[in-house]
Amino acid sequence: ETGVTQSPTHLIKTRGQQVTLRCSSQSGHNTVSWYQQALGQGPQFIFQYYREEENGRGNFPPRFSGLQFPNYSSELNVNALELDDSALYLCASSLALGTPGTEAFFGQGTRLTVV
Amino acid sequence: LAKTTQPISMDSYEGQEVNITCSHNNIATNDYITWYQQFPSQGPRFIIQGYKTKVTNEVASLFIPADRKSSTLSLPRVSLSDTAVYYCLVGDDMNNNAGNMLTFGGGTRLMVKP
Repeated sequence: ETGVTQSPTHLIKTRGQQVTLRCSSQSGHNTVSWYQQALGQGPQFIFQYYREEENGRGNFPPRFSGLQFPNYSSELNVNALELDDSALYLCASSLALGTPGTEAFFGQGTRLTVV
Repeated sequence: LAKTTQPISMDSYEGQEVNITCSHNNIATNDYITWYQQFPSQGPRFIIQGYKTKVTNEVASLFIPADRKSSTLSLPRVSLSDTAVYYCLVGDDMNNNAGNMLTFGGGTRLMVKP
């Protein structure tokens, strides 16, 4: 158990719809990142939030957006879903200190299927 | 971020020591080397992190030569439950705001057989 919880665990959506995925960070962690993991591949970084501000983004289109709340929980929103958006979406939290050994704690993920 | 290269898959037997080597020829001075483990349908789990020489914890050892262009994750006496994908990551944990903008490669699929 990492203390990072994601909901829902599984989700099926239709192409063109919108989806919101949620993540509760480990207590005390002020940084959260989201990753997309296609079947058989490593996780790909989507974006990171630090103290409610986006402070890093991977190679994902603007229809992938997010929020971080004052309690450091987070949402990932995806608009205009495409079939290729089918993947495991992972949330990771950490405590940003600017010092080495900052470990990221991952949730179990949300399995999104777009049909 | 430095690119990493590691074997796609490895097989081992219970009780053996497993060494997984990762190449990172373009590692930068500030980069740390981190290994994660991932079981099916779960998020990755931090195993170990190091900068140079050798690091050991209760789970694994990490060997880093002086030129830091490669590293080796060593798992002593593996069991069936060590069957997983192991990812080697290289990045700067010092100056970004969190050690959380991670770049994963394809990982090494370790299969431990009885």
